[in-house]
Amino acid sequence: DAGITQSPRHKVTETGTPVTLRCHQTENHRYMYWYRQDPGHGLRLIHYSYGVKDTDKGEVSDGYSVSRSKTEDFLLTLESATSSQTSVYFCAISEGEETEAFFGQGTRLTVV
Amino acid sequence: GIQVEQSPPDLILQEGANSTLRCNFSDSVNNLQWFHQNPWGQLINLFYIPSGTKQNGRLSATTVATERYSLLYISSSQTTDSGVYFCAVHGSSNTGKLIFGQGTTLQVKP
Repeated sequence: DAGITQSPRHKVTETGTPVTLRCHQTENHRYMYWYRQDPGHGLRLIHYSYGVKDTDKGEVSDGYSVSRSKTEDFLLTLESATSSQTSVYFCAISEGEETEAFFGQGTRLTVV
Repeated sequence: GIQVEQSPPDLILQEGANSTLRCNFSDSVNNLQWFHQNPWGQLINLFYIPSGTKQNGRLSATTVATERYSLLYISSSQTTDSGVYFCAVHGSSNTGKLIFGQGTTLQVKP
């Protein structure tokens, strides 16, 4: 299994509070991705990173920011959580731009 | 951006039956993957198959890139095959972004 760890695995937070999700990899892969999964929408790309301090937006980036200060860590921040951000969040990694991607276990976030 | 459509959206099989899942995409692709999401939510890699045919046990996949589709074959289905099957692509025009289809939900009954 690819060495990907997401933390926390579950979180309940209140509307308006900041939340940071962490993705840690031990594979030294260049690319890292954040997705959200919602019923009826499949997996949608939020942001991705193609190197340290290099990031770009995905399909549903509004309300989210990311940072990557080290190869192994990719952080997803919800500056002010809203109920519409209740979802399951997945991190993925890939060695190159279009090589095989591997997913973490997911983080279930509930905003109340 | 590239559109990815999967069919059928839902499929119910008796154990032992065979099935074919389809993934159509709207533009040329440089990468295509098939995943299985099990009932616990884990995404499991099945195939990395930008073109050609691959087989892994009871599962096989074929991608015809020139005609913009991929097929996933499941033979002699088992209850453990239940879950959601996703295809995902890197389009030639949006490199770096792995885009998913909506998935096919498969239920295999004993």
